[in-house]
Amino acid sequence: QVQLVQSGAEVRKPGASVKVSCKVSGYSLSELALHWVRQAPGKGLEWMGAYDPEEDETIYPEKFQGRVTVTEDTSTDTAYMELGSLSSDDTALYYCATDLGVPSHEYWGQGTLVTVSS
Amino acid sequence: QSALTQPASVSGSLGQSITISCTGTSSDIGSRNPVSWHQKYPGKAPKLMIYEGWKRPSGVSTRFSGSKSGNTASLTISGLQAEDEADYYCSSYTITSTLVFGTGTKVTVL
Repeated sequence: QVQLVQSGAEVRKPGASVKVSCKVSGYSLSELALHWVRQAPGKGLEWMGAYDPEEDETIYPEKFQGRVTVTEDTSTDTAYMELGSLSSDDTALYYCATDLGVPSHEYWGQGTLVTVSS
Repeated sequence: QSALTQPASVSGSLGQSITISCTGTSSDIGSRNPVSWHQKYPGKAPKLMIYEGWKRPSGVSTRFSGSKSGNTASLTISGLQAEDEADYYCSSYTITSTLVFGTGTKVTVL
């Protein structure tokens, strides 16, 4: 059974950065596209980027380019999402997920709450 | 890339049918990229309900169906049940291989 376990809640000051991890078990990370999605309080889902091992490329939406970095350590099947230049607007629950839109391959982490406050 | 447009809320009585629209552009939904629908309860991770526009993953009720026409995708829930009360999000890949979610629709069962 595939499981995604994310790191714990984080609190950061404005201007700082945060790195969230996502440990995959039950499957090899190198065979799955790993996405990052966030949901701010009272807001909708927002896609932040993904690494596609088939294309060997990382794709980010224009909004996050230059501010978010998605990496993977396939030796430990752990993915990371680092977001910099934080502001209060980045306060959100951050999810990792595999193969979005692919039945039987789509799995989600439990979410990591990131709070940005001075 | 702007979010796909969904109605903020849709409501229906038990047993009725409701339809949620999801409007995009020729760069996403209209470009024949696969559309998915997710159901989300507060505090829970999203669950895939429809993929590739109309297909249902194993275990998803047949009461959920999807369709697409031009730049608009739709999710229909028939025989509305109390447990269907949740938020629903459409999503589509774009011509630049990015993914965009819809603005989300809160479904209320009266």
